[in-house]
Amino acid sequence: QVQLVQSGAEVKKPGASVKVSCKASRDTFTTYHIHWVRQAPGQGLEWMGIINPTSGITKDAQKFQGRVTLTRDTSTTTVYMELGSLRSDDTAVYYCATVTAAAFHYWGQGTLVTVSS
Amino acid sequence: SYELTQPPSVSVSPGQTASITCSGDKLGDKYASWYQQKSGQSPVLVIYTDSRRPSGIPERFSGSKSGNTATLTISETQAMDEADYYCQAWDNSPLFGGGTKLSVL
Repeated sequence: QVQLVQSGAEVKKPGASVKVSCKASRDTFTTYHIHWVRQAPGQGLEWMGIINPTSGITKDAQKFQGRVTLTRDTSTTTVYMELGSLRSDDTAVYYCATVTAAAFHYWGQGTLVTVSS
Repeated sequence: SYELTQPPSVSVSPGQTASITCSGDKLGDKYASWYQQKSGQSPVLVIYTDSRRPSGIPERFSGSKSGNTATLTISETQAMDEADYYCQAWDNSPLFGGGTKLSVL
């Protein structure tokens, strides 16, 4: 069973950074690449990037290049998404998820990040 | 840039069939997936590779594709099906449609 457990809600000021974690079981960590998808309030789903937890290789969506950093900790089977230079329009729920057969089968519970002065 | 287009809203009466479309350039050459998202919850995969249903998804959810348009069909729609539905495909990276709000009236 794939399980993805994310960290709790965050409130940040504009210009700050936020780091969201996504803890996976060891089987999930070694089997699947982990994607990050966000959803602004009342808006649709937006893909941000992917990390291979085994190799650490990442690919970011062009929109977020230079602002997002995906990392992992193999000792705790946790992946991280750090978004910098936060703006008010980065207020969103951030999800980690895994893909099989070109579809997102498993999702974390989501982490609300609020950017407000 | 590549886009997937969905109608913003669809309404259906309980017990009737709801159809939600998703169109995109060359979607016929890609796999389409569909997600159900209820308020305050994470998305749930209901259809993948155009027409396959994950375990646990009721048979009344089905998917099809014709040309560059994918369609999610919900038969015998129930009140519990009221949700936002998103299509998704790949164009070098994953892409989602804008979402369709299904109202069961």
